[in-house]
Amino acid sequence: DAKTTQPTSMDCAEGRAANLPCNHSTISGNEYVYWYRQIHSQGPQYIIHGLKNNETNEMASLIITEDRKSSTLILPHATLRDTAVYYCIVRVVWRSQGNLIFGKGTKLSVKP
Amino acid sequence: DAGVIQSPRHEVTEMGQEVTLRCKPISGHDYLFWYRQTMMRGLELLIYFNNNVPIDDSGMPEDRFSAKMPNASFSTLKIQPSEPRDSAVYFCASSSQGGGTEAFFGQGTRLTVV
Repeated sequence: DAKTTQPTSMDCAEGRAANLPCNHSTISGNEYVYWYRQIHSQGPQYIIHGLKNNETNEMASLIITEDRKSSTLILPHATLRDTAVYYCIVRVVWRSQGNLIFGKGTKLSVKP
Repeated sequence: DAGVIQSPRHEVTEMGQEVTLRCKPISGHDYLFWYRQTMMRGLELLIYFNNNVPIDDSGMPEDRFSAKMPNASFSTLKIQPSEPRDSAVYFCASSSQGGGTEAFFGQGTRLTVV
């Protein structure tokens, strides 16, 4: 699986949009971009994923560049409960292959 | 569905003892993953199964660790003998087949080896 690069930490003011970048310059055509987050002491929680097109769900939006070498996770109105470590992962699922490897992630701190 | 269920939630054991961690994946899921998380190393993938068959165990630290999946609804991770450096939170996750599917995680087992 391709590796990803994320900033170690970011701050965001409560109520503002949080934009979390991720570089995945070696991504291949059949790899998806996944975002997870981990709130202290809990298991990682799925947020969103995409292949080529931008995606939006009730939690966040995912913007993938046209060349697919980078993406941005957007939390439109960050709250204190969004303070967590956010992981960007690229993953291929093909036949029996489909491991899910986490990097260091970005520690997002939402401040009042 | 109740989600991925792990047991026990907490385990304290003495060095040298055998430890067995258990996981019940979400019904119908084809993939099962075992992870270990520590402050130093972060979230490490230990092993994953597809249709009950181990696909990649390259993350298993050493022969003291073993994992089995006897059927689609149950998996174990065993450490024998346990050592203090095995102290960590162990997570199990499952997902279904397909390129765009999400993996769901259990709440983890916090293992302390004294």
